Amino acid sequence: DADVTQTPRNRITKTGKRIMLECSQTKGHDRMYWYRQDPGLGLRLIYYSFDVKDINKGEISDGYSVSRQAQAKFSLSLESAIPNQTALYFCATSDNAGAGETQYFGPGTRLLVL
Amino acid sequence: EDQVTQSPEALRLQEGESSSLNCSYTVSGLRGLFWYRQDPGKGPEFLFTLYSAGEEKEKERLKATLTKKESFLHITAPKPEDSATYLCAVQGFYGGATNKLIFGTGTLLAVQP
Repeated sequence: DADVTQTPRNRITKTGKRIMLECSQTKGHDRMYWYRQDPGLGLRLIYYSFDVKDINKGEISDGYSVSRQAQAKFSLSLESAIPNQTALYFCATSDNAGAGETQYFGPGTRLLVL
Repeated sequence: EDQVTQSPEALRLQEGESSSLNCSYTVSGLRGLFWYRQDPGKGPEFLFTLYSAGEEKEKERLKATLTKKESFLHITAPKPEDSATYLCAVQGFYGGATNKLIFGTGTLLAVQP
C-alpha cells in the first residue's frame, strides 16, 4: 500500500466552484506539504504544516486554504476555483530528521478548471 | 534569491550510452540537495540526498555527485526503463523552520532500445 495517498486522482470542475483535495499518509511523519506543478515552472510550495496546530503559507498560497485534520491528514481547498489553478497537485511528507529533510510525495491530483 | 537550474531540458540516449544531467544551484547555505525521478502522471520518487561538496551516492545505474555550485546525475549504461523526468531540488537554512524545497524544472530523459 502507498505511504502517501491523494484523492481524487483526477478532477474536472467549473470556475467558481469550491473543491477539496485530500492527502493521507501512513509514514508517521509530522510534516506535510502541498505543491503544485505546472509545465516549465517546476514544483512550487502552496502550504506546509509541521504539526496539527502549525500551518504556514508557502510561496503561492493566494486562492488556497488548508486544513490539518490529524497528523495523518492534510487537505487543500480551492474556495472559488479559477482556470489558472489548473495544474498537478502533490502532497508530500517529511520527518524532522536533522540534516536535510527528505520529502516523500503522493501520486498527485490532476485538476482541470473550466 | 535561491535558484535551481537543470540542463539539458531534454536528453535522448541510446540504450547503453552513458551521460550526465546537470543541476546548478544558488542557495544561502545548503542544507541538502535532492534528486527525484518522476514518471508521467506520477509523483516524484526520491532517489538521493547530498549534504556537502565532494559527497557521492550511487543506486544501480545512477550516481549523484555534489560540488559547491552544482550536482551531476551520472547515468551509466542506461536502459529504457530509466526514461523519466529527473528533478533536482535544494533546501537551505532559512529563518524559522521552513524546510522549503526549491525545485528545478527537470530533465526529461528518453532512452531508446
